[in-house]
Amino acid sequence: GQQLNQSPQSMFIQEGEDVSMNCTSSSIFNTWLWYKQDPGEGPVLLIALYKAGELTSNGRLTAQFGITRKDSFLNISASIPSDVGIYFCAGRKTGANSKLTFGKGITLSVRP
Amino acid sequence: KAGVTQTPRYLIKTRGQQVTLSCSPISGHRSVSWYQQTPGQGLQFLFEYFSETQRNKGNFPGRFSGRQFANSRSEMNVSTLELGDSALYLCASSVDRATSMNSPLHFGNGTRLTVT
Repeated sequence: GQQLNQSPQSMFIQEGEDVSMNCTSSSIFNTWLWYKQDPGEGPVLLIALYKAGELTSNGRLTAQFGITRKDSFLNISASIPSDVGIYFCAGRKTGANSKLTFGKGITLSVRP
Repeated sequence: KAGVTQTPRYLIKTRGQQVTLSCSPISGHRSVSWYQQTPGQGLQFLFEYFSETQRNKGNFPGRFSGRQFANSRSEMNVSTLELGDSALYLCASSVDRATSMNSPLHFGNGTRLTVT
């Protein structure tokens, strides 16, 4: 099936640092979404991207829809302890039966 | 506005039993999708319901089934439980079909199913 690649599996950063994550695929997607999941909770939508090249911000988070439509990037600036969690990318193609495909997530740890 | 509500939060069942999970979508959302989350496989799509009809299905055996009611609430059923069914089952709702642009999924907090 379609695969979205997120690596590395875990990232460790110092509080205050910026961090960048990317998500790649061999397929073209028409929508990219970024979610964050805290322990014991469901994923929460952070940013949605609908157009190639689109750059969207949500507070300290910025995400971009790659111009090839095969990748997306999420940047977190000035990290804080509550940024800890699992960050998932998700992509969707258009079409009657296209479903949202998720990457396996990146676990972010922030050292105070 | 209340979010997606899933009940129960935790379930322990034994092999061979069956289980029913419930999901109430965000008010006004007409689509409900179900996902299975495990550490090894990540988020795997089970199925999507819209207007009381299954619109899309993932690669799971027939033991996994679901339905949607007229008020958009959805239930998922797993029969003849196996140990490998232990997972977090997540429900997500969206305003329109999950395949539509500008209709992102909003997730509930899941039901943690443990099969012993």
